[in-house]
Amino acid sequence: DGGITQSPKYLFRKEGQNVTLSCEQNLNHDAMYWYRQDPGQGLRLIYYSQIVNDFQKGDIAEGYSVSREKKESFPLTVTSAQKNPTAFYLCASSTGVNTEAFFGQGTRLTVV
Amino acid sequence: KNEVEQSPQNLTAQEGEFITINCSYSVGISALHWLQQHPGGGIVSLFMLSSGKKKHGRLIATINIQEKHSSLHITASHPRDSAVYICAVRRMGDMRFGAGTRLTVKP
Repeated sequence: DGGITQSPKYLFRKEGQNVTLSCEQNLNHDAMYWYRQDPGQGLRLIYYSQIVNDFQKGDIAEGYSVSREKKESFPLTVTSAQKNPTAFYLCASSTGVNTEAFFGQGTRLTVV
Repeated sequence: KNEVEQSPQNLTAQEGEFITINCSYSVGISALHWLQQHPGGGIVSLFMLSSGKKKHGRLIATINIQEKHSSLHITASHPRDSAVYICAVRRMGDMRFGAGTRLTVKP
């Protein structure tokens, strides 16, 4: 079955540690996105990539980094520079700018 | 002001009621999505539309491009429809999201 897989579903991190969230898709989509969701707020764009080896910052990129070495994979690293990393993170993909987007199941990150 | 505004924020209905959720946006868009998010957090795309109306089962989505407004209707609502419904607009290669409408349907 085609789809997007995010792992892990729940993640706990100690303050000061970097952590990497995985996002893999087998839909052959060119575009991939990372969003952050906080209670009572809409999803906000962290980073997006429209093609392999290229990515752009979204609205809230500070404290995050990404890579796009393979079409299928778009991992997100939450660095220790991110002041308030506890949130729900969603990955999405689409074939292009005007096509339907598909979402992963999300990763809930908690800093302890 | 957010680029995408949804109303109401919360909605409680009795099983069988007709439900309407509204979405207004202030930017030019190429398409609009209605998404459903269940308590576990995963999101499912219900509709993508750029004009007119789409229907899938008990769900109907409409969009008025001139008025920059879209509605999601649920006919004969059921407790399993309880979820957060999110409006998202596509523009310039990314999406902008409303804050969501939390729907609770009581038996």
